[in-house]
Amino acid sequence: GENVEQHPSTLSVQEGDSAVIKCTYSDSASNYFPWYKQELGKGPQLIIDIRSNVGEKKDQRIAVTLNKTAKHFSLHITETQPEDSAVYFCAASKYSGYSTLTFGKGTMLLVSP
Amino acid sequence: EAGVAQSPRYKIIEKRQSVAFWCNPISGHATLYWYQQILGQGPKLLIQFQNNGVVDDSQLPKDRFSAERLKGVDSTLKIQPAKLEDSAVYLCASSLDLGNTIYFGEGSWLTVV
Repeated sequence: GENVEQHPSTLSVQEGDSAVIKCTYSDSASNYFPWYKQELGKGPQLIIDIRSNVGEKKDQRIAVTLNKTAKHFSLHITETQPEDSAVYFCAASKYSGYSTLTFGKGTMLLVSP
Repeated sequence: EAGVAQSPRYKIIEKRQSVAFWCNPISGHATLYWYQQILGQGPKLLIQFQNNGVVDDSQLPKDRFSAERLKGVDSTLKIQPAKLEDSAVYLCASSLDLGNTIYFGEGSWLTVV
């Protein structure tokens, strides 16, 4: 089955800095890669996703890049703000038929004012 | 649009007792998921329904866990008897159909003492 590795486990940045979280996956058939943000006491919330026919996708201050050859994808957050502090999860799936998401272990992002 | 609703939000039980969690997915969503999230880890799929049929329950500990979605809308997840290692957040999620974006509820926090 699919295995998703996520690094780093914790990331501390100053407000205004950029943050990068990286994930690798094992199943070359995976073609859908979402990122979820989870705040304390809440469920994961989808913030951005990318499919294998796209190398990069941006949405305001967040972007995701995908390298299918190397089987890794990354989340980039620019101009970080204290409200970006949360746990971020990457996931992978085949995005078709009966395949569901396999999650990484999460990255706790702390943005200091 | 209302999100995925779950109850109860918090539950503390003694080991060997039973507990049930309820989920109401987003209106019109055919696919419903139950995930288990142990502290410090990413969500892990327990069971996936398509309407009222089970698509994947390969990671559900069937000796103690059961789930149903009798009318293809609401779902109930039951644990009996509970073990200490069942302490986790139980996340319900739904998607419009197989392969579509997955939306999570706030989760039900279970502590087994």
